[in-house]
Amino acid sequence: NAGVTQTPKFQVLKTGQSMTLQCAQDMNHNSMYWYRQDPGMGLRLIYYSASEGTTDKGEVPNGYNVSRLNKREFSLRLESAAPSQTSVYFCASSEPLKGWTGAYEQYFGPGTRLTVT
Amino acid sequence: QQPVQSPQAVILREGEDAVINCSSSKALYSVHWYRQKHGEAPVFLMILLKGGEQKGHDKISASFNEKKQQSSLYLTASQLSYSGTYFCGTENTGNQFYFGTGTSLTVIP
Repeated sequence: NAGVTQTPKFQVLKTGQSMTLQCAQDMNHNSMYWYRQDPGMGLRLIYYSASEGTTDKGEVPNGYNVSRLNKREFSLRLESAAPSQTSVYFCASSEPLKGWTGAYEQYFGPGTRLTVT
Repeated sequence: QQPVQSPQAVILREGEDAVINCSSSKALYSVHWYRQKHGEAPVFLMILLKGGEQKGHDKISASFNEKKQQSSLYLTASQLSYSGTYFCGTENTGNQFYFGTGTSLTVIP
């Protein structure tokens, strides 16, 4: 199993350009997430999808859109990139822990390092 | 709503113990702990649920004080491989999940 994969690994954009970050998981998980990680800020949730066909805003959704294309894939789109969106972006998926109610483990992809100039 | 972690950074010698604390202003349902090595993705360590259940790592333990809305991660007899940044993640009773700002742990020989 590849787990959670993300493309691209690195990207440089100019202000105003658009791009889509791709994420796929092969673990048959229902829930998927997009986070951004900035120095000193930890991981902040941008959007999440509890199941195919549903998406919800997280803590910092402004400037982003998402698509849950199918159970495997969850993409993040920046319509008009801004320097404030320079960050490392992580995709994650999760499954409930067997035999536990309300407990789950998140599996993270390797991240995309995005720089907006 | 982001939980607060302390300390922000700690340096240990191999074999020493460390405690990392995580505190929330909201009533919590669960606390998750993750470790991230430099340049890599975070990796799940353990989860503690309200009511006392926990599932986790065989060399790392943690506690969850529901009344104080706090959790502590205990790293005993630290090894070089323990180096990294530790994040707590808290899920409150409104099903909102937030990661803390992280604690950088460096273990030196």
